[in-house]
Formats: sequence, C-alpha cells, structure tokens
Amino acid sequence: DAGITQSPRHKVTETGTPVTLRCHQTENHRYMYWYRQDPGHGLRLIHYSYGVKDTDKGEVSDGYSVSRSKTEDFLLTLESATSSQTSVYFCAISILGTGDFPYEQYFGPGTRLTVT
Amino acid sequence: KNQVEQSPQSLIILEGKNCTLQCNYTVSPFSNLRWYKQDTGRGPVSLTIMTFSENTKSNGRYTATLDADTKQSSLHITASQLSDSASYICVVFTGTASKLTFGTGTRLQVTL
Repeated sequence: DAGITQSPRHKVTETGTPVTLRCHQTENHRYMYWYRQDPGHGLRLIHYSYGVKDTDKGEVSDGYSVSRSKTEDFLLTLESATSSQTSVYFCAISILGTGDFPYEQYFGPGTRLTVT
Repeated sequence: KNQVEQSPQSLIILEGKNCTLQCNYTVSPFSNLRWYKQDTGRGPVSLTIMTFSENTKSNGRYTATLDADTKQSSLHITASQLSDSASYICVVFTGTASKLTFGTGTRLQVTL
C-alpha cells in the first residue's frame, strides 16, 4: 500500500459546509494525487502535486482546492460541499517503476463522502 | 478525446472457470497500459503493466495481452477463485505525471 493512509474513511456532511480530506504518506514520494470515483465513470483526477506547495489541476477540479505544506500530507478541500460531490475519493502516490517505466501509482484506501 | 472502454460491464462465472476481460483505448500518445484489481471498499491495486513493445505479460493466474496496432488489451483469468471477485480497471498512461486515462471497469463475480 506504499504507506498511504486517508482520513476520514467515511464522512457525511451537509450541503454548503466545508470539508477537508487528508492523505498521508510515509515514504516521501514527490507526486501525490486526488481522484474521485463515481458509478459509470472511471477514476477522474481532481488535483495533483509534484512537490511541497506545487500543485496543478486535473480534469474535474472545479469546487475543489488542495494544499501541500509538507511532503507527507496532501489535503483536499471542498469549500462548500454540494450533493454532486458525493463520491469516493482516492489519494494516490507515484514512485519510480522498474525497467523503462517512469513510475507506478499506488492508491490509498479511499474516503467515502456523502453530502446531504 | 482520450478514452478507455471496457467490456463487459459485469460478469458472473463459476469458480474454476476461465474468463477474459476486454479493453479498447483511444489514447495518444501511448506509454503503457495497466490492469488494476479493485476489491470492494479498497483502492485499486496494480496487476500488470505493459509497454508498447510487449504483447503478453503474466502475473500468476492473470495474463494480459496488448495489441498496440488495434489498441486493444485483454485480461485473462485462469481457474478463477472466489477471491477474484472484484472490479478490474484498465488504465492507459501517456507518460506524464497527470495523464492517466481510466476505464470504468468490469465487475467480476465468481460464484460456487
């Protein structure tokens, strides 16, 4: 599991409230990612980070912000949660692969978020 | 637009039987293709990674094939076990940190 933990694992919140999800890694990997997974869709990239304070948007970044003040922590914030953000959120890290592969991705256990 | 399509969406097989899952992609540029297994309530776990030059790779009872000309891949599971019940996700990687395209997965159920 590449030492990835996510917290909380489950959360129910109300529309309009702010929510922060945390991803923690123990192996000092440079790249970290936030994805969401919804029925009928593949995993979709929200934001990613390539170093402390270095982040970039993915394909579904609207309504989300991220921060990375330490190598080991990558936070995903929903400033004002909406029902469309009900989803399972996965954090991932990349490490160098073997042979000619630039890297491999390992995923955390996921956070199930319900916005009512 | 980069896309990865998987079929079937779901599949039920008897324990001990074989099955094959399909993946078609329209992703460019292509770097490598991965198959992940995702158990219910868990994150995806990598099964195989294949580059453009590879056409077959095995991992135990899992064998992946890749035809880069037709942009198709398959995952063959031999002598299925109850623990193979999971979603299998095909992912195509274009070679940069943010450029992975995920399929929607095939949900496999292995029954007695």
